[in-house]
Amino acid sequence: ETGVTQSPTHLIKTRGQQVTLRCSSQSGHNTVSWYQQALGQGPQFIFQYYREEENGRGNFPPRFSGLQFPNYSSELNVNALELDDSALYLCASSLPRDGYEKLFFGSGTQLSVL
Amino acid sequence: GDSVTQMEGPVTLSEEAFLTINCTYTATGYPSLFWYVQYPGEGLQLLLKATKADDKGSNKGFEATYRKETTSFHLEKGSVQVSDSAVYFCALSEQEGAQKLVFGQGTRLTINP
Repeated sequence: ETGVTQSPTHLIKTRGQQVTLRCSSQSGHNTVSWYQQALGQGPQFIFQYYREEENGRGNFPPRFSGLQFPNYSSELNVNALELDDSALYLCASSLPRDGYEKLFFGSGTQLSVL
Repeated sequence: GDSVTQMEGPVTLSEEAFLTINCTYTATGYPSLFWYVQYPGEGLQLLLKATKADDKGSNKGFEATYRKETTSFHLEKGSVQVSDSAVYFCALSEQEGAQKLVFGQGTRLTINP
């Protein structure tokens, strides 16, 4: 079991609303990545934060934004929710110098947009 | 852009059967290749990896060989167990340090006793 925790585990929102998802990284990890996993699909990279700065972004519109805090926990914010935003949102934490053996994923937040 | 294609599932096998899950990739550079596993209600876990051509990754009886000539990284296991039931994802990363992964669509594996 990893030390990456995500909250909430499930969430239901209405189209047009805004949502905030939270991630607490593994102790000592200063890099957090977010992924979107639609039903029956593989995870897609949204963005990565390193020491509170965005450090890479995938092909997602600006209404997907994030924050990383001094304790390295992170938030993913999605504005103007659309039906297609329904997905499992995964957070992963790491240290840049470590290999993928030490990239740990949380169990995710299941977001449903009605 | 880079992409990963996996054999479509779901795959259902009997215990002790031989497993192959096909994975091919498209990348402009020389990526590292990975297999991740997702058990119900849990986060993704790294199963194995290979960082250069002809490398073989192995873990828990699973193996995959990085084939540059066929751009493939097929997952194999000689004798599956019920506990291997999960969703398996093939993935690539251009750089070891960037930690940005490109995943395939996943293959759901069910092993019957």
